[in-house]
Amino acid sequence: DVKVTQSSRYLVKRTGEKVFLECVQDMDHENMFWYRQDPGLGLRLIYFSYDVKMKEKGDIPEGYSVSREKKERFSLILESASTNQTSMYLCASTPIAGGHNEQFFGPGTRLTVL
Amino acid sequence: AQSVTQLGSHVSVSEGALVLLRCNYSSSVPPYLFWYVQYPNQGLQLLLKYTSAATLVKGINGFEAEFKKSETSFHLTKPSAHMSDAAEYFCAVSSGNTPLVFGKGTRLSVIA
Repeated sequence: DVKVTQSSRYLVKRTGEKVFLECVQDMDHENMFWYRQDPGLGLRLIYFSYDVKMKEKGDIPEGYSVSREKKERFSLILESASTNQTSMYLCASTPIAGGHNEQFFGPGTRLTVL
Repeated sequence: AQSVTQLGSHVSVSEGALVLLRCNYSSSVPPYLFWYVQYPNQGLQLLLKYTSAATLVKGINGFEAEFKKSETSFHLTKPSAHMSDAAEYFCAVSSGNTPLVFGKGTRLSVIA
């Protein structure tokens, strides 16, 4: 089974802190994605990556950056956390490029910024 | 640009009743369409997907969806709701090499 794991299920941080959210997939997938999920807004794409050291901005990249040094790991970074970044963050991966491919999701990290 | 509209942020049905969750999409090219389910405190799980084969797609847990190009719709149905179907459901669209675009979700409640 494909497994996508996220480093924390729940995280509480203070305004201004630098926050790292880690995502690891174990099925050699090429593509990885970071979304945030907010009530009534669905899932919104923050960043994605089609290869190691490659990144593309999604719909809401402001305030975030990403790192993909290894194929299996995709990190989301909040350089200076703010209260409006309190949300559920979901990581996903898919094997190769192509819109027909299913995305496999991790369990999510619920981040609270105080 | 692609988009998805899910009609109804919250749907409530009685146990044993028909489940109908509506999804309309917009895409300038032939789309790939997906339904995902999210149980409380979990990530998203694929229910079913349409990839230009049969227009009636069967998924897990007794769900199915029909692709109707003329109506730009991909509604999700299940003949008889079960308490365990209570969850949030997301419709998503993609085409070619683009990332998925998700709808805002529909929360399904099942009443005993």
